[in-house]
Amino acid sequence: AQSVTQLGSHVSVSEGALVLLRCNYSSSVPPYLFWYVQYPNQGLQLLLKYTSAATLVKGINGFEAEFKKSETSFHLTKPSAHMSDAAEYFCAVSPAAGNKLTFGGGTRVLVKP
Amino acid sequence: EAQVTQNPRYLITVTGKKLTVTCSQNMNHEYMSWYRQDPGLGLRQIYYSMNVEVTDKGDVPEGYKVSRKEKRNFPLILESPSPNQTSLYFCASSSRGALYTGELFFGEGSRLTVL
Repeated sequence: AQSVTQLGSHVSVSEGALVLLRCNYSSSVPPYLFWYVQYPNQGLQLLLKYTSAATLVKGINGFEAEFKKSETSFHLTKPSAHMSDAAEYFCAVSPAAGNKLTFGGGTRVLVKP
Repeated sequence: EAQVTQNPRYLITVTGKKLTVTCSQNMNHEYMSWYRQDPGLGLRQIYYSMNVEVTDKGDVPEGYKVSRKEKRNFPLILESPSPNQTSLYFCASSSRGALYTGELFFGEGSRLTVL
């Protein structure tokens, strides 16, 4: 069985500061890992994905995430927060060649001016 | 424009009154799925479909039904809604190729309140 844990349901950052969202997973097989973003009143959209290629993955809007197998982590970072980054972020895991995506509980990001 | 369309976007109903949430995609995707989103629980899968006439239960199927008679449509049916089904519902779709890497396209969500 696979599961995802996101540390912190809410994160508040100042505009221009580092954004760090934590995600740890458990999976019985080498997983595919994802970050999705949900802007207010919208559906989720894919931010970035790890599919067993490079361990440092770059996504849209300046976000990146690093897969660390030894720590079973896939933390999301952005060097400098922008007001438009205010949203809810979901980490998700899928077994390779699977048909099931398991989501974490989500982290809501607030960006202060 | 490629999209997943859900209707209604907002609905308030009463316990026991049957309702259907429609979902339609225009990307010719084989795979479609329904999720519910509740605070602190993330998204949980209700049902999914690998193709026409092929459906299967997800993690929280109780109280829901689905059908997949056409490739583009995947309606979610609540035969006798109860207050614990008050939630935000998302439909998602994917091609077979993208599914193997877990990439989903989501609708904008349907917020359901059952009184």
